[in-house]
Order: sequence, then C-alpha cells, then structure tokens
Amino acid sequence: GESVGLHLPTLSVQEGDNSIINCAYSNSASDYFIWYKQESGKGPQFIIDIRSNMDKRQGQRVTVLLNKTVKHLSLQIAATQPGDSAVYFCAENIAGNQFYFGTGTSLTVIP
Amino acid sequence: GAVVSQHPSWVICKSGTSVKIECRSLDFQATTMFWYRQFPKQSLMLMATSNEGSKATYEQGVEKDKFLINHASLTLSTLTVTSAHPEDSSFYICSAIMTGDLSYEQYFGPGTRLTVT
Repeated sequence: GESVGLHLPTLSVQEGDNSIINCAYSNSASDYFIWYKQESGKGPQFIIDIRSNMDKRQGQRVTVLLNKTVKHLSLQIAATQPGDSAVYFCAENIAGNQFYFGTGTSLTVIP
Repeated sequence: GAVVSQHPSWVICKSGTSVKIECRSLDFQATTMFWYRQFPKQSLMLMATSNEGSKATYEQGVEKDKFLINHASLTLSTLTVTSAHPEDSSFYICSAIMTGDLSYEQYFGPGTRLTVT
C-alpha cells in the first residue's frame, strides 16, 4: 500500500491557463479518492474528493474526473494562479479509513 | 476549526538517541490518527494507524519497535523514533479523523522535520 517514487513529475503552466494533473491508482476496490495540495514544508491540504459511484465532481475552480475502467483520476484547475504552485497528490481509500498516496505532481505556475 | 498541530516542527538529534513527536487535535476529538513519513520530493507513506486506547496498527515494513506510537487521549498521539539513525531523517506528518465523522476526512498537521546527524 505504500507509494514509492524517486522523482516527482512536474508540470509548468502559464498563469491563467488551465492545469490538468493526472493520477493512476492501483486498486480496483478503491471506492473513495481525495486530491491534496502540499506546499513546501507543510502538511497536505484537502482540495476535493470523489466517490467511486461518481465520474465527475466540481468545486471552486477545480474539477475531479474519475475513470474506473482504467483506474485513473484527474484534477483540473481552471485559471491557474501563482498560489496554486504546489505538489498535488491523489489518495485512495481501499478499506477502512486508511488512505494511500500517489506519487504526486509538482505544479509550477509561471506568472 | 479542525486544526492539528505537531511539536516540534523541526528537530535535530544525534544518532542513537530517541526523539518524540507529538500530534494534537486542537479543537476536536480524534479517535483515530495516522502517521506518515515523507522523503524529499516523494509521496507520503503511511506508517501506522493510531487508535485511542489501543495498540497502533503498523503498515507492512514499518518496525513497530523502532517507531513507537502512543495514543493515550482523544487529542494526542505521539510517535517516538527510537535509536535514530541518519536514514530516519525525514518529514513526519500526522493526520486526524474527527471522532464520529463517517466521511473519513483527514486533517493534517504541519509536519515535523527530523534530521539525525
């Protein structure tokens, strides 16, 4: 259940553009997913969640899409701002109340 | 609301010593807390689930005798890294679930950076 990775994938976007961050999860039994944002030296912050009975969920400037067929999640951030620069993780809930984190993507917004 | 604190925020210790890290839920009760570790530019790795009043459940590969977890109250869990070695240097993050919350939303602490020299 642990996530192992040597390097974070990176994504650079121009301020004002839309960002799409992808995540592949491992277990087809996972039924609940959360996207977190982590700024340098801080703990993760909840962004948005989605349950497996949904394909899409929208929040303020963010949309999460879930494709259970290929076990893929995406996080779309509209009109990306410099304050969105951070590392983004998806986390999957397989059983109980434990979550396992994906590798993460480092987003850099270019002003 | 739903604030989780960790203490200390940064600790430097010598190899062979033990270090205790505290995780507190400030404005809510947390029957369940989690401990993660995170190496630079890597993801969070779940180490253990801490349940108030009972023994922690450790993830596979995590040494329970090295990483001692105590959850003696509904607002405090502690992680003690025993006989620390340089390879234990990492960012340790805790999270807490509000007692009675069925959504499983975790509230994360700000993390503790451990440097073992």
